[in-house]
Amino acid sequence: SQQGEEDPQALSIQEGENATMNCSYKTSINNLQWYRQNSGRGLVHLILIRSNEREKHSGRLRVTLDTSKKSSSLLITASRAADTASYFCATENNFNKFYFGSGTKLNVKP
Amino acid sequence: EAGVAQSPRYKIIEKRQSVAFWCNPISGHATLYWYQQILGQGPKLLIQFQNNGVVDDSQLPKDRFSAERLKGVDSTLKIQPAKLEDSAVYLCASSSLQGTGTQYFGPGTRLLVL
Repeated sequence: SQQGEEDPQALSIQEGENATMNCSYKTSINNLQWYRQNSGRGLVHLILIRSNEREKHSGRLRVTLDTSKKSSSLLITASRAADTASYFCATENNFNKFYFGSGTKLNVKP
Repeated sequence: EAGVAQSPRYKIIEKRQSVAFWCNPISGHATLYWYQQILGQGPKLLIQFQNNGVVDDSQLPKDRFSAERLKGVDSTLKIQPAKLEDSAVYLCASSSLQGTGTQYFGPGTRLLVL
């Protein structure tokens, strides 16, 4: 399977702490994207990092990509209760095909 | 800018019945995706359209699932006949560039097959 796999499957932290989620994949990619899904809702795009980029920032989000290890990480700094959601990585391969991972369920306790 | 619209939001049917879902993408978006998301799992791509042509339907169970995107705008996904294992959320997404753009998701249709 070319799907990205997130780690950990679940993460529980206190408000104000940082949350780190990892994604591993198996084949060459064009880009990797991170999405958030609140319970019962559709997915919301957070950030896209291309295969020739190593790090990207957006507000409290920091994404890294290591193509040699076929892995990416998403860091959420100074987490808030509103960050409670499931986070998915999605990879687009060289044939423009998308694969989502199984997600990390983040719980931020107030 | 209006988002991706989907209907219905919820559907309950019995196995062997038929069901259809509708999606209206963001205006001007050429690429449309249908995903199946089973509870506790990530979305699985069923079919991808570029305008009204199919780009990828390799994971679409073609014996029971069909999809069309007439006129390259809105799309319909049909299941006939439904099985218990089809219970899932069906998500529609669109993007403005094939393969390199952000995907915008609709709220999904939650299907329960009894």
